[in-house]
Amino acid sequence: GAVVSQHPSRVICKSGTSVKIECRSLDFQATTMFWYRQFPKQSLMLMATSNEGSKATYEQGVEKDKFLINHASLTLSTLTVTSAHPEDSSFYICSASKGGSTGELFFGEGSRLTVL
Amino acid sequence: DAKTTQPPSMDCAEGRAANLPCNHSTISGNEYVYWYRQIHSQGPQYIIHGLKNNETNEMASLIITEDRKSSTLILPHATLRDTAVYYCIVRVPHSGGSNYKLTFGKGTLLTVNP
Repeated sequence: GAVVSQHPSRVICKSGTSVKIECRSLDFQATTMFWYRQFPKQSLMLMATSNEGSKATYEQGVEKDKFLINHASLTLSTLTVTSAHPEDSSFYICSASKGGSTGELFFGEGSRLTVL
Repeated sequence: DAKTTQPPSMDCAEGRAANLPCNHSTISGNEYVYWYRQIHSQGPQYIIHGLKNNETNEMASLIITEDRKSSTLILPHATLRDTAVYYCIVRVPHSGGSNYKLTFGKGTLLTVNP
């Protein structure tokens, strides 16, 4: 299957700092990527849809100024958690569509953020 | 909002077939059924998808009822590594549709026992 890579896989930061997470499609181009957040023992919650060359579309309740998304190329989307707080600690996962006739999505390995 | 209903948990003996059901009674004509699974602390893994015909690949088989209101994912010979949360999702496959996003419900925790 297609490969989507996230970096870093784990990050620990101090409260008030910003953290950037990268999502790359390694062997295909993705015009659309999705960012999810997952708290322990809960399902994935869609945060935003990232479109190459345009502004991201955020889900209701997700602060666009806090979770900055940039989709600068067809193989890279970044999520920046600004002024992180302990409640932002979570598992962040991206996905990308390979395109084609049936549009299955492929997911990265996830990035675990811990804010102290 | 998730448009599917799955049992919260199931158990299966190692080596036996695991049959995971999913109800999607409000599925639209242009929506596909996708199955993903998530092993603890990893990103979801694509398994299989289908529109109306039964599908099979190296991982699993997907059986979709004729009225498309439900489906069953079949793992023919479950192993311990198949223990995971399995998600059934319906969506349109291309951007521009009102349901292009992949929205996860709570899924089914499948536990494969030795």
